[in-house]
Amino acid sequence: GESVGLHLPTLSVQEGDNSIINCAYSNSASDYFIWYKQESGKGPQFIIDIRSNMDKRQGQRVTVLLNKTVKHLSLQIAATQPGDSAVYFCAEGPIDHGSSNTGKLIFGQGTTLQVKP
Amino acid sequence: NAGVTQTPKFRILKIGQSMTLQCTQDMNHNYMYWYRQDPGMGLKLIYYSVGAGITDKGEVPNGYNVSRSTTEDFPLRLELAAPSQTSVYFCASSSLAVYFTDTQYFGPGTRLTVL
Repeated sequence: GESVGLHLPTLSVQEGDNSIINCAYSNSASDYFIWYKQESGKGPQFIIDIRSNMDKRQGQRVTVLLNKTVKHLSLQIAATQPGDSAVYFCAEGPIDHGSSNTGKLIFGQGTTLQVKP
Repeated sequence: NAGVTQTPKFRILKIGQSMTLQCTQDMNHNYMYWYRQDPGMGLKLIYYSVGAGITDKGEVPNGYNVSRSTTEDFPLRLELAAPSQTSVYFCASSSLAVYFTDTQYFGPGTRLTVL
C-alpha cells in the first residue's frame, strides 16, 4: 500500500551544524510533498513544500530536495539552532484533478531532531 | 485571525462515555480534516470535509462521527469511548482550488485519555 516513511527516528546534531532529514515515499503518483515541524505539545507547522515538477526548493535556512527516481525526499536545515529541536514529518499528496480533489495528505512517522548546544 | 482553534486541550474520559471535540477556523477554508496521532507515530486521517454539509471517511473512522453545518466548524464526536481512542487529536483546514493542493494548517490539538 501507500506509505511515507522517514529513515531515522532520531537525529542528533551539534548546534551550528547542518541537518539532513530523509523521507522515502512509495506512491509515484504523488504530486505534492510537504515538510512539517511539530514542537512538543503543539500541532504540526508548515515548513516548506515542493511539487513533483521541481527537484529543489529553498526557503529561509531550509532546502527540500526531491528525487523522483528513487522516491526520496530530504529536508536540509542550515546552521541548526536549538529552536529547531522538534519532530519533523514529511507528507505527500496527489494533486487530484477535477471535482474529486480532497487535499488529503499521507504522513510519515516523523524524525525527532535533537540539537546539542 | 486565530487560525484553527480546538477545545478542549485535555480531557479524560471513562470507557463508554461520549464527547465532542470542537474545531473552528476563521480563514474561510472549505476543506477541514480530523487526524489522530498516537505516541511516536504520524498522523492518521479520521474524517474530512470538502465543504459545509459534505463529509467523508478517512483512514480510521470507526468510533467517530462528524458534522459540518457551517464553513467554520467541524466537530468530531466520540461515541462509547474506548481505551484505543486514547490519542492526540488534531484538526486542520486548507484552502483548495481544483487542480491544486495546498498546505493544511493545524490546530494545537486535544489530548484525550480514555480510562
